[in-house]
This record gives sequence, structure tokens and C-alpha cells, in this order.
Amino acid sequence: EIVLTQSPGTLSLSPGERATLSCRASQTVSSSYLAWYQHKPGQAPRLLIYGASNRATGIPERFTGRGSGTDFTLTISRLEPEDFAVYFCQQYDTFGGGTKVEIK
Amino acid sequence: QLQLQESGPGLMKPSETLSLTCTVSGGSITSSSSYWGWIRQPPGKGLEWIATIYYGGSTYYNPSLKSRVTISVDTSKNQFSLKLSSVTAADTAIYYCTRRNYGDYRIDPWGQGSLVTVSS
Repeated sequence: EIVLTQSPGTLSLSPGERATLSCRASQTVSSSYLAWYQHKPGQAPRLLIYGASNRATGIPERFTGRGSGTDFTLTISRLEPEDFAVYFCQQYDTFGGGTKVEIK
Repeated sequence: QLQLQESGPGLMKPSETLSLTCTVSGGSITSSSSYWGWIRQPPGKGLEWIATIYYGGSTYYNPSLKSRVTISVDTSKNQFSLKLSSVTAADTAIYYCTRRNYGDYRIDPWGQGSLVTVSS
């Protein structure tokens, strides 16, 4: 069973700063099945990235996904106020524990 | 735009059977590129996949819940449903209905979520 470990657990940043989130798999996984989501309290999670690096429809260019093998990253180039949320990765039916991006 | 909406009991007692329904709007549940499923998130914990179904009837269950779970689809109502038997406090969670894309497992969209609390 694949385990996805996300780090850090919490990222405290200011608007305009760059956020780099990590998702590490316990074994090599296919990039084709790696996705990232944004989740705000009381809302439905939103698909950001699929296939490790493909932005979903309507997702701003400041969101970039990269990686392969066991190491994947989600980068938000310049944080906007609406980007403060929890982000989690997914591989098949397994989810990472999430990274909370909070306002510093 | 495809939208999913859960409906459920809210509050339940231990040992009861949880029934949740997801109504699909803006698209057909018989889409050949769609798998339909349920995912839950207990308070303060991570996401847990529960079950997935294809409109043709193929079902997939989380092994840890399989003995208590049934997922079904009603194409005439454009709905799919989840039943979870013998609930305990550990089943308290937000339950999300989802559409998973055939081929790459991306989940889009998700429903808003339905909070189910199990308490005596």
C-alpha cells in the first residue's frame, strides 16, 4: 500500500510569497495518477493539478506541479489572499495528510 | 457544469445504518468517462476513500470498510448512494461524493460534503 507523506504540515507565509509543498510517496508511483487539490473549510475540495503537472480547467498559472518517481511538489509562485487553504495530494485512492498554508 | 450534492441524515445513533445519496446535475451518471464514489474525512483527520462505482455496475470497496459498505447507482434518478452498516462514533465524518475520471483517477468535482455525526 502506497503512503503519501506531505510536508510541511503547516506553512506560514505572507501574500506575495512563494509556497513550495512536498508530497513524497513510499514507493515509486506513476506521475499520470498524481493529483493536487485545494480545500477550504466548508467547501468542496477543488482539483488543481492532475498527471503531476497539468493544471485543471480554470486554475491560475501561479499553481505549478512537478515531480516524478517518489517526489512531487506543488508550487504557488505568488500567494494571493484566496490561496490560504489546505492542499493535499492524491495517488489512486490514497491521499496525503495535507499541508495547511496559513497567513503569517 | 457538473455538480454533485450529498444528502444524508446528519445525526445517527450507534449500530444504525447510514444512508447517503448523491444527486448528479449538469451531466449524466451514465458518462463512459466517469466513476462515482464516496470519500470521507473524520474531524481532524485525513481523507479516506470508501467506495467507487461505474454506472454499469462495477464496484470497488476499501478493504477496511468492505464488510459494512454497499454502493449503488440509480440511473433513472441520476443518483448514486452509499450504505454503511453498524455505525460507531469512528464513522463520524464529512462524507463527500465524487466523480473520478476514467483513466487518470483525478477527482473532479467533489460535492460540498455531508456531515454525519454518530452519537448516542
